[in-house]
Amino acid sequence: KAGVTQTPRYLIKTRGQQVTLSCSPISGHRSVSWYQQTPGQGLQFLFEYFSETQRNKGNFPGRFSGRQFSNSRSEMNVSTLELGDSALYLCASSKDRVNTEAFFGQGTRLTVV
Amino acid sequence: GESVGLHLPTLSVQEGDNSIINCAYSNSASDYFIWYKQESGKGPQFIIDIRSNMDKRQGQRVTVLLNKTVKHLSLQIAATQPGDSAVYFCAGTFTGGGNKLTFGTGTQLKVEL
Repeated sequence: KAGVTQTPRYLIKTRGQQVTLSCSPISGHRSVSWYQQTPGQGLQFLFEYFSETQRNKGNFPGRFSGRQFSNSRSEMNVSTLELGDSALYLCASSKDRVNTEAFFGQGTRLTVV
Repeated sequence: GESVGLHLPTLSVQEGDNSIINCAYSNSASDYFIWYKQESGKGPQFIIDIRSNMDKRQGQRVTVLLNKTVKHLSLQIAATQPGDSAVYFCAGTFTGGGNKLTFGTGTQLKVEL
């Protein structure tokens, strides 16, 4: 059974640009959550999608957005990139919405220069 | 609000010894906890979970204990091996938060030969 797939694995962008990251959840899983991991702030929740609807949102500016498609694949977008957006972006896949195991992908390492 | 923390940033153990990693949480309306292992350059790997109606759960070489009275949980690793060296995170979901995971700061486990 394939795990959570995130693409690309590494990305270098310039300040002011925008970026789109992709996540394919485990087959049969309908919930996709996104997290940002930095050395200073640790793992922080960005948002959760279930059945193509955003169900929960973390405390991040509006430059961070996402969406989920009918096949449960999800994308997140960051516009007007800042140096502080450099981080490991992780996607977690769950079968349902409540109290279910969450499995992470390998992440996308974003570097903003 | 909810918060999850870990007690020690670093834990060093001898190969073959048992390891105990601790975690505390602040919100009594917690539903579900997961322990993750993260190796350098990889995404968090699911180890074991426990629901709030349980006190203990065992897996292969791992045991999680949940003490709701003092809002504390621990991960015990039996016969620690070099491959167990990683950062360990506890994470919890809270009532009304869906799949949003709140993470602790992580404990770096170092296994000495």
